[in-house]
Amino acid sequence: LAKTTQPISMDSYEGQEVNITCSHNNIATNDYITWYQQFPSQGPRFIIQGYKTKVTNEVASLFIPADRKSSTLSLPRVSLSDTAVYYCLVGDLYNTDKLIFGTGTRLQVFP
Amino acid sequence: EPEVTQTPSHQVTQMGQEVILRCVPISNHLYFYWYRQILGQKVEFLVSFYNNEISEKSEIFDDQFSVERPDGSNFTLKIRSTKLEDSAMYFCASRDLIPGQNLYEQYFGPGTRLTVT
Repeated sequence: LAKTTQPISMDSYEGQEVNITCSHNNIATNDYITWYQQFPSQGPRFIIQGYKTKVTNEVASLFIPADRKSSTLSLPRVSLSDTAVYYCLVGDLYNTDKLIFGTGTRLQVFP
Repeated sequence: EPEVTQTPSHQVTQMGQEVILRCVPISNHLYFYWYRQILGQKVEFLVSFYNNEISEKSEIFDDQFSVERPDGSNFTLKIRSTKLEDSAMYFCASRDLIPGQNLYEQYFGPGTRLTVT
């Protein structure tokens, strides 16, 4: 499984766009990139997943450059309720379905 | 929206006692998982379960741990003789048999906080 590196923490203000970048230099051809969110004392929650280029859903966008060695989770116009830990996961989804979480990025949104 | 439920929300037990943590996965899901998170640390994979057998387990999941799907709705994690270091939040997760658009979308429950004294 490819190792991931993310910033330990980020601060933002309500209404701003937040971009969290994850580095995964050793990503393999079959690996997908997935982001999860975790609020305190709750289980992780799936946000978005992609393989290459750009993926967008109702919650976030995921940007993946051509070399796939990094990815950026973009949260548009964050609110206080987006304060959480965000995890970037990389793995071969066809050979294993265990999720390997890193330490994640703790996002604090201020009013 | 369907969700994974877990009981109890908090379990306190003495060292050496057996505990059973219960989960009700989403009804049409057929893959089940247990993870744990020690306070302030990462979420760690314990075990995955499909078709009434363990499909993968981590080094943490030793002989003291077992899982069972006793009926069509429950999925349990048993710790035979708890240790202080088993204190953690335990999360159950499930996913559908056929991946949809999102291959890695596991649905997590709210967790059971296990405190071993």
